[in-house]
Amino acid sequence: DQQVKQNSPSLSVQEGRISILNCDYTNSMFDYFLWYKKYPAEGPTFLISISSIKDKNEDGRFTVFLNKSAKHLSLHIVPSQPGDSAVYFCAASGKGGGTSYGKLTFGQGTILTVHP
Amino acid sequence: EADIYQTPRYLVIGTGKKITLECSQTMGHDKMYWYQQDPGMELHLIHYSYGVNSTEKGDLSSESTVSRIRTEHFPLTLESARPSHTSQYLCASSTTWDTQYFGPGTRLTVL
Repeated sequence: DQQVKQNSPSLSVQEGRISILNCDYTNSMFDYFLWYKKYPAEGPTFLISISSIKDKNEDGRFTVFLNKSAKHLSLHIVPSQPGDSAVYFCAASGKGGGTSYGKLTFGQGTILTVHP
Repeated sequence: EADIYQTPRYLVIGTGKKITLECSQTMGHDKMYWYQQDPGMELHLIHYSYGVNSTEKGDLSSESTVSRIRTEHFPLTLESARPSHTSQYLCASSTTWDTQYFGPGTRLTVL
């Protein structure tokens, strides 16, 4: 049972345009969400996070939106750059207890390609 | 940004060999984790530790074992490697219950 899902395996965007990566979750105990970026042959790099008490968090070109009622979050990259080409993973954790406490559950990842 | 190191980066070995994947961090993080990832798939937690002498199995069953004798060191051992163990192994550490920082990973191939 996959609790965090990224239904788009890949996304292709033109340089300068907006990239929108989506993620859905099923576990209502999740209350903290993160996005990681991963280049081939490297470990994931933390990008941005959001707590369930917020619905938006912004850091430079990266904004994460959280819709708790829909159990959906998205990562917006504006403007997209060729260096953003990588695999993006969303992850969730639960501080409120249960089996998700203190552990991250990851989605399958979305390959973003930004064309010059 | 956490400094976390993994060695070797790449390892090709034959079936039946015993291997140890090393993971060290210099940030004094008390929590450390091992994940396994196959291409195009999510990261699966196989082991974690919340401090010295504390180890727990993760959500994905694994034949590997871990130890945490020192805060900065969290090695993973496979007593007898098999082709089914071929995968990428990622180590991570954190001080909080949320943001984890990852090492570069070890790509293991068992022939």
